[in-house]
Amino acid sequence: RKEVEQDPGPFNVPEGATVAFNCTYSNSASQSFFWYRQDCRKEPKLLMSVYSSGNEDGRFTAQLNRASQYISLLIRDSKLSDSATYLCVVRTISNFGNEKLTFGTGTRLTIIP
Amino acid sequence: GAVVSQHPSWVICKSGTSVKIECRSLDFQATTMFWYRQFPKQSLMLMATSNEGSKATYEQGVEKDKFLINHASLTLSTLTVTSAHPEDSSFYICSARAVTSGLDGETQYFGPGTRLLVL
Repeated sequence: RKEVEQDPGPFNVPEGATVAFNCTYSNSASQSFFWYRQDCRKEPKLLMSVYSSGNEDGRFTAQLNRASQYISLLIRDSKLSDSATYLCVVRTISNFGNEKLTFGTGTRLTIIP
Repeated sequence: GAVVSQHPSWVICKSGTSVKIECRSLDFQATTMFWYRQFPKQSLMLMATSNEGSKATYEQGVEKDKFLINHASLTLSTLTVTSAHPEDSSFYICSARAVTSGLDGETQYFGPGTRLLVL
């Protein structure tokens, strides 16, 4: 089983629609959670951190369910510029204090005019 | 703030040669930098963690003698792919974790990546 699993998509949705992505992780000791976006042939950029209480940043809402080891991202009123690959990322700290980010394979989103 | 650069942005080399990739934090200090590799249609995979002034920590399956990492200062880490082969062709990305006040110490800031093609 992969450490971080995402539906690879692709998701093709019309402009203005709402789209939701899901992600599950296997390591219950994971401590921090993030959504990154990656444009084609570019580096990943942090979109937002994810907290158990849920957090919102404009049109983006992220949610974490630690009991189910499940992370979600909701994009409302989608824009053409939202077209990208969305990466679910989990941060763990080992017993030796080593930090590691584990990336999902990403979900490809294309917003259609 | 929090800009990370990589050089070169792309490189094509012959099999058997060595390639050095630089990762610099331009406007902040980073005691820890990370090196990732991404093959087409796959996720980023952590290769190694680079700590300033000490040896790098490599992930399982990554050969430390093949991928040499040097983190000589708080703003520079280098990855050298020694005796590169076609299977080493990939997108290599570094990231840096900030220790400068005013930046989130938990966030990794990514460089733009280096595309390596070994013929």
